[in-house]
Amino acid sequence: DTGVSQDPRHKITKRGQNVTFRCDPISEHNRLYWYRQTLGQGPEFLTYFQNEAQLEKSRLLSDRFSAERPKGSFSTLEIQRTEQGDSAMYLCASIFHSPHTDTQYFGPGTRLTVL
Amino acid sequence: GENVGLHLPTLSVQEGDNSIINCAYSNSASDYFIWYKQESGKGPQFIIDIRSNMDKRQGQRVTVLLNKTVKHLSLQIAATQPGDSAVYFCAETGNYGQNFVFGPGTRLSVLP
Repeated sequence: DTGVSQDPRHKITKRGQNVTFRCDPISEHNRLYWYRQTLGQGPEFLTYFQNEAQLEKSRLLSDRFSAERPKGSFSTLEIQRTEQGDSAMYLCASIFHSPHTDTQYFGPGTRLTVL
Repeated sequence: GENVGLHLPTLSVQEGDNSIINCAYSNSASDYFIWYKQESGKGPQFIIDIRSNMDKRQGQRVTVLLNKTVKHLSLQIAATQPGDSAVYFCAETGNYGQNFVFGPGTRLSVLP
């Protein structure tokens, strides 16, 4: 257990429905990242937050995706009007960013299946 | 997660032998490199990292080598154990850790 938790661990939804995932990072960590991982691939960067500010978004993050970190602690990732291609593992990671370390600690992920 | 590395290249080694996993990275501006281990049903787990001002770093049973000339990174695991069986990913980042790019991964299978 890295100290990063994600909820739910599994989500099955029908195409067109909205889903929301939650990530609770390690409490003193100032950066939080979201990744998507499909079978046989490495994690793909989606977006990251420095405290409550969303500083970078990948072009993978279509307008159906939105992420928030309202108080600089937990974060949510919402997918609207889900499509079958959204089926993947969604991973959250956090770090305490400093000039000396950028070690990411990953949560267990949320596996999304869109039927 | 489940079935991580379903179609990945596989490295099979005998228990007790040394393992070498290789990775070619893409961005010559990357200045920080990390190796992760991922077991089924779990998120990636940090193993070891190295900054671009170094070419070698050692941890417990693991060594990372960085060759910036050819943009190559390797992970050496000494005395490989059954618990080392997993998928291993390299990752690179520049720009002060804003965007981590992961490689495709290698499945390590330890034979008894």
